[in-house]
Amino acid sequence: DIQMTQSPSSLSASVGDRVTITCRASQSISTYLNWYQQKPGKAPKLLIYAASNLQTGVPSRFSGGGSGTDFTLTISSLQREDFATYYCQQCYSTPRTFGQGTKVEIK
Amino acid sequence: QVQLVQSGAEVKKPGASVKVSCKASGYTFISYDINWVRQATGQGLEWMGWMNPHSGDTGYAQKFRGRLTMTRNTSISTAYMELSSLRSEDTAVYFCARRDYTNSYPFDPWGQGTLVTVSS
Repeated sequence: DIQMTQSPSSLSASVGDRVTITCRASQSISTYLNWYQQKPGKAPKLLIYAASNLQTGVPSRFSGGGSGTDFTLTISSLQREDFATYYCQQCYSTPRTFGQGTKVEIK
Repeated sequence: QVQLVQSGAEVKKPGASVKVSCKASGYTFISYDINWVRQATGQGLEWMGWMNPHSGDTGYAQKFRGRLTMTRNTSISTAYMELSSLRSEDTAVYFCARRDYTNSYPFDPWGQGTLVTVSS
């Protein structure tokens, strides 16, 4: 199975900050990497697919990058509605594993 | 719009089975795989398996083989996830999600989630 490791597990930031979350795969997954945002009591929402493609309707302050084993999710200027938990997921092979999540909290 | 609507919360006793439904609308149901993902309280997302609604083919995570069954009723565009021999560790919110065919096969959209509580 491919293991996905996110860092950090949590972070505190202020509105307007630039935030970067990293995700590392235990083997190469090309760009079969997706990012989701989840708010408390809600289902996950797709933000970025294929490592760097913004899902329709997602604000342009979100961006993704990377290929192979190392990936990033960046929020260029954190907004209040961005405080949530973020998950990476590989869809290169089954099982379709997720990272453990990164909780973004208000400083 | 494309939407997945799940059945309501369930409370089950240890050893029982639970069957959760996921009704699709806004697209051709048989054209996209349905995946199931669960999340225990305060924990991360755990992928359980997939089903092709056209063929009925399925694939399950090793952890759930022997206890998990995914089925569908194409006439009502509904997928089902049945988990048997329930134990307390199966208490979680269960989500269905459509697997898109964009480059990296992302899950979009997701159902709203169904809370399954296993308690004696």
